[in-house]
Amino acid sequence: KQEVTQIPAALSVPEGENLVLNCSFTDSAIYNLQWFRQDPGKGLTSLLLIQSSQREQTSGRLNASLDKSSGRSTLYIAASQPGDSATYLCAVGSTSNFGNEKLTFGTGTRLTIIP
Amino acid sequence: KAGVTQTPRYLIKTRGQQVTLSCSPISGHRSVSWYQQTPGQGLQFLFEYFSETQRNKGNFPGRFSGRQFSNSRSEMNVSTLELGDSALYLCASSLDGSYNEQFFGPGTRLTVL
Repeated sequence: KQEVTQIPAALSVPEGENLVLNCSFTDSAIYNLQWFRQDPGKGLTSLLLIQSSQREQTSGRLNASLDKSSGRSTLYIAASQPGDSATYLCAVGSTSNFGNEKLTFGTGTRLTIIP
Repeated sequence: KAGVTQTPRYLIKTRGQQVTLSCSPISGHRSVSWYQQTPGQGLQFLFEYFSETQRNKGNFPGRFSGRQFSNSRSEMNVSTLELGDSALYLCASSLDGSYNEQFFGPGTRLTVL
């Protein structure tokens, strides 16, 4: 059974700093990994999707890496801004025991950028 | 291109009632998945529909059901509501399932009194 962990659960950093969010998963047989952000009471916004054959993806100030063999992904945010404050979730796509495609979500890291 | 829309945005119901939530996916997307999000359990997968067929199902009781129409719009229904059903219900659309990028709607906040 795939399990996805995000540590720490909460993180506060001063504005302008670079930071890294972590995501780990137990079953390395994944086909993709997606990072999302969620603002309080809102839906999820897709940030980056990494296919299993890729090592990283970049979008603006965001860079996500994937190491399947070690079961880890990181989301790097450069030059953080107060608007980056949100909960960040990773979701791992894998095949369930019943042969179905399945997205398993981590519990998220709540990020606060201090002005 | 319009995003995923969900209606209604907020609902208040009492125990024992039933509720129907609606999700309109991004144009051209054929897969719609539903999730329940609570502070204690996080995001939990309910079910996925593709081309009007339920293709995948999570571990929820039979009170939770859904369907998908020929235009890919989807509805989920919860019967005999319980207090524990209070949650944010999110739907996600994609071209063809979880192999593709998932796009989420704003959610429906259900409160059961």
